[in-house]
Amino acid sequence: KAGVTQTPRYLIKTRGQQVTLSCSPISGHRSVSWYQQTPGQGLQFLFEYFSETQRNKGNFPGRFSGRQFSNSRSEMNVSTLELGDSALYLCASSEGLRGSLTDTQYFGPGTRLTVL
Amino acid sequence: ELKVEQNPLFLSMQEGKNYTIYCNYSTTSDRLYWYRQDPGKSLESLFVLLSNGAVKQEGRLMASLDTKARLSTLHITAAVHDLSATYFCAVDMIEGSQGNLIFGKGTKLSVKP
Repeated sequence: KAGVTQTPRYLIKTRGQQVTLSCSPISGHRSVSWYQQTPGQGLQFLFEYFSETQRNKGNFPGRFSGRQFSNSRSEMNVSTLELGDSALYLCASSEGLRGSLTDTQYFGPGTRLTVL
Repeated sequence: ELKVEQNPLFLSMQEGKNYTIYCNYSTTSDRLYWYRQDPGKSLESLFVLLSNGAVKQEGRLMASLDTKARLSTLHITAAVHDLSATYFCAVDMIEGSQGNLIFGKGTKLSVKP
């Protein structure tokens, strides 16, 4: 099976712009989670989607949003970019929802976002 | 607010030695996850611990969870260089109808010959 893919791998934006990141899960996986990793804040959980519904959510402002399509592919959107949004954004897929017996996550390579 | 503390944050070990990484958390939770990250790479899921007393083992790594003590340990047996990486624990926290996942700062492990 193909692994989790994320596009684009690298992105440069300027403050105030918006950005959309994409994640394609492993075939058959219905859960997609998103994470942000920065040197200052470390790893932080953004949200988890399962069967097109947001099921879990971290403490991020409303500028961060996501969605999941019927084929389980997911997108994450950040509006009005700030310098502090520069980070590695990771997505992971799993068969089941977090906390289920099939929630082992498989991570994509990440999207490196730089905000200038 | 849930706090997750890992210690040590840096660990330099010799090959063949044993050591334990600790993950303490501040509020009630019975779900804990361990991850590994190689330098410049993505995350890899290592263990999912879903109940008090849960123990999982994979190769030279063994993880356990004590929900009463709010403590998880990741024990390394007879370390080898390939285990050099940063290890993160993360704790599930239910807030209302949704759950957050709070990460520790990570333990950077360096195994030297």
